[in-house]
Amino acid sequence: ETGVTQTPRHLVMGMTNKKSLKCEQHLGHNAMYWYKQSAKKPLELMFVYSLEERVENNSVPSRFSPECPNSSHLFLHLHTLQPEDSALYLCASSEDRAYNSPLHFGNGTRLTVT
Amino acid sequence: AQKITQTQPGMFVQEKEAVTLDCTYDTSDPSYGLFWYKQPSSGEMIFLIYQGSYDQQNATEGRYSLNFQKARKSANLVISASQLGDSAMYFCATSNVIYNQGGKLIFGQGTELSVKP
Repeated sequence: ETGVTQTPRHLVMGMTNKKSLKCEQHLGHNAMYWYKQSAKKPLELMFVYSLEERVENNSVPSRFSPECPNSSHLFLHLHTLQPEDSALYLCASSEDRAYNSPLHFGNGTRLTVT
Repeated sequence: AQKITQTQPGMFVQEKEAVTLDCTYDTSDPSYGLFWYKQPSSGEMIFLIYQGSYDQQNATEGRYSLNFQKARKSANLVISASQLGDSAMYFCATSNVIYNQGGKLIFGQGTELSVKP
């Protein structure tokens, strides 16, 4: 596979469930990101990992817990979510964190919290 | 703080014609990057084109070109010879180096482009 792949593509979960989103990049990049895209809102940066170290947590509630076991994989663990957390969650990677380094995104996971 | 403004929520263009999508930005950093992304209904964000703040010439990538006017802080995307497959959301984004924020993209609200046959 090439590029950035995310699984699952769609996820429906209850407010008491625990689930995880998975992201894998095949580009040899050193930085990975989680973004949230809600309807009618710009993309919001959630977390940044650089060389497997979390370098930014953008005031995200603790019910979202990221994990980066290696430079190719990124997870977002979800627990006790709220209906307002329903959104498209996009994973991205970049070669490094230089300002001219474009992000390459996956297809996203569309999450619905019931 | 950085900010991106896209004032056109929706645009229509006839197939084979050119279209310009507007983007203005606000940053106090002298070093920054400007990006355009395309998001089809499938959800994937596709990187289209990049312009650096120090680049003297406008960036071009195939049918995409970026009309960079630094003094006006504008970075409009021009799509030439529109195709039906160009129908999608288009996002302008910026990044800068202040406070080690490299790679952190700030996105605009997006413009929905519809190409008519």
